[in-house]
Amino acid sequence: GENVEQHPSTLSVQEGDSAVIKCTYSDSASNYFPWYKQELGKGPQLIIDIRSNVGEKKDQRIAVTLNKTAKHFSLHITETQPEDSAVYFCAASTSGTYKYIFGTGTRLKVLA
Amino acid sequence: EAGVAQSPRYKIIEKRQSVAFWCNPISGHATLYWYQQILGQGPKLLIQFQNNGVVDDSQLPKDRFSAERLKGVDSTLKIQPAKLEDSAVYLCASSLQPQETQYFGPGTRLLVL
Repeated sequence: GENVEQHPSTLSVQEGDSAVIKCTYSDSASNYFPWYKQELGKGPQLIIDIRSNVGEKKDQRIAVTLNKTAKHFSLHITETQPEDSAVYFCAASTSGTYKYIFGTGTRLKVLA
Repeated sequence: EAGVAQSPRYKIIEKRQSVAFWCNPISGHATLYWYQQILGQGPKLLIQFQNNGVVDDSQLPKDRFSAERLKGVDSTLKIQPAKLEDSAVYLCASSLQPQETQYFGPGTRLLVL
């Protein structure tokens, strides 16, 4: 079945720097890739998503890139702020089942 | 628009006891999901409903877990009897249809002693 690997597991950056989180998926039929942010004591919140017919998508300081050939996708956060500190999860989904397979999460700390 | 509601937010029980969680999805969302999130891991799907029918329960430990979605709106997830390894956050999510984005509730944090 589908497997999603996520790296790094923890990431510390200085405020204002950029952060990059990478995910690799195994099922070449995966075609939808959402990213979620989870703050302490809260449920995951969707921050950006991308479909397989698009190579890149941007929303203000957040961008996601997709490389279908290599089967990996990345989250890019620019000009990081302390409120960006949270756990970030990537997921992959395949049309047909639409089942989300999540990565193991990345704990991002933005140091003021 | 109101988000996914879950209750209770926290629950502490002893092993072999039973517990139930409740979820109210976003209005109009036909698809409802229950996930288990163990500390330090990503959410894992337990069961998926389309309206009031089960679409996928392949990862649900059916000897102790049960779920229902009467009338295709609210849903309850039950564990009976609970084991220590059931300690986790139980997340409910909903989407308009299976191919649409999933939106998560705040979760119920369960501790089994």
